[in-house]
Amino acid sequence: GAVVSQHPSWVICKSGTSVKIECRSLDFQATTMFWYRQFPKQSLMLMATSNEGSKATYEQGVEKDKFLINHASLTLSTLTVTSAHPEDSSFYICSARVDPLAGAMTGYNEQFFGPGTRLTVL
Amino acid sequence: ILNVEQSPQSLHVQEGDSTNFTCSFPSSNFYALHWYRWETAKSPEALFVMTLNGDEKKKGRISATLNTKEGYSYLYIKGSQPEDSATYLCAFLNSGNTGKLIFGQGTTLQVKP
Repeated sequence: GAVVSQHPSWVICKSGTSVKIECRSLDFQATTMFWYRQFPKQSLMLMATSNEGSKATYEQGVEKDKFLINHASLTLSTLTVTSAHPEDSSFYICSARVDPLAGAMTGYNEQFFGPGTRLTVL
Repeated sequence: ILNVEQSPQSLHVQEGDSTNFTCSFPSSNFYALHWYRWETAKSPEALFVMTLNGDEKKKGRISATLNTKEGYSYLYIKGSQPEDSATYLCAFLNSGNTGKLIFGQGTTLQVKP
């Protein structure tokens, strides 16, 4: 149980185009999902917290107009990198937190991760 | 700025060797420490959630300890096997924030047969 999928696993695009990445919780509901970014040899950095039915909360320094997050259902959050540029090339990974109603939470923010998406902007 | 450090950055051991690595985190406002195992091209997999000072947790050949007063956690692997090759991440959860996990850079373990 607690499987999170992410699609696509890799994408190459031209500068100026927009790219959408999907994050799905396959066997559980997730009111809250998280989007992280990892640059080479660096740690996973939280970009934003995605809440179903409400606006995402962005971390300091992350442009909300550049990285559009939509969490329209309890099992799907999407991250759209708008007008991507080479400096946006990175590894993007999502995670989902099991809803307390599902009975699996202890309150310590356990998250289940997708396999990530490698974005290369030419 | 909350800083989580892991050492070493990478480690190469022979099959059968036991090994350990460290996660250092702020000792104030501790709430929890997570350990994840991340194999290439797969999703990070949760290993442990450590919450109390002195906690020791075990899962097969992998175990972890926690010292919240001095701000460190050790992960031990006994009798390493090639399938243990992965990056091991720790993530700190601060009691003062909204549940944001602060990750270390990871320790990449390579076990040679």
